Amino acid sequence: GAVVSQHPSWVICKSGTSVKIECRSLDFQATTMFWYRQFPKQSLMLMATSNEGSKATYEQGVEKDKFLINHASLTLSTLTVTSAHPEDSSFYICSARDPDPEAFFGQGTRLTVV
Amino acid sequence: KQEVTQIPAALSVPEGENLVLNCSFTDSAIYNLQWFRQDPGKGLTSLLLIQSSQREQTSGRLNASLDKSSGRSTLYIAASQPGDSATYLCAVNNQGGKLIFGQGTELSVKP
Repeated sequence: GAVVSQHPSWVICKSGTSVKIECRSLDFQATTMFWYRQFPKQSLMLMATSNEGSKATYEQGVEKDKFLINHASLTLSTLTVTSAHPEDSSFYICSARDPDPEAFFGQGTRLTVV
Repeated sequence: KQEVTQIPAALSVPEGENLVLNCSFTDSAIYNLQWFRQDPGKGLTSLLLIQSSQREQTSGRLNASLDKSSGRSTLYIAASQPGDSATYLCAVNNQGGKLIFGQGTELSVKP
């Protein structure tokens, strides 16, 4: 299957700082990328959908000014958590798809805000 | 609004048993359904994808079925092994690639 690489795999940051997470499709062009959030022992919740070259579409309840998403190319999307707080600590996972209906997921990023 | 439910939430079986994981969804107008595996602290590995027009898919010891009209899917694991221990997630795709996930079934296969 296609490979999606997410970086970093884990990060610890101080409260009030910003953190950028990258999601890359390594062997295909991802027309659409998705960002999910997963709290411990819970399932994945979709945060936003990004299409290359256009603004991301955020799910209800997700603050677009806090979670900045950029999808500048067909192989890269970034999620920036701005002014992070401890309640933002979570597991963030991206997925990517080309016109094929199957979604491929990155390895995830564990964010801890202290 | 699409809701996905997985039963049971947790399952512990001895090695070698055949087992079934269940997934149900409220809106039958799905594009496809995917089963994933997630190891602790890791990302997702896609196991099987079933298109809405299909009734089942098989990969090795795994078989997934789909009954769209009743809003159900099952994942059958044959001859379970300790290495199968993980959380199994079911997700439906209504359209456009957005996946709605169930809560998962945490499987433990004891040697």
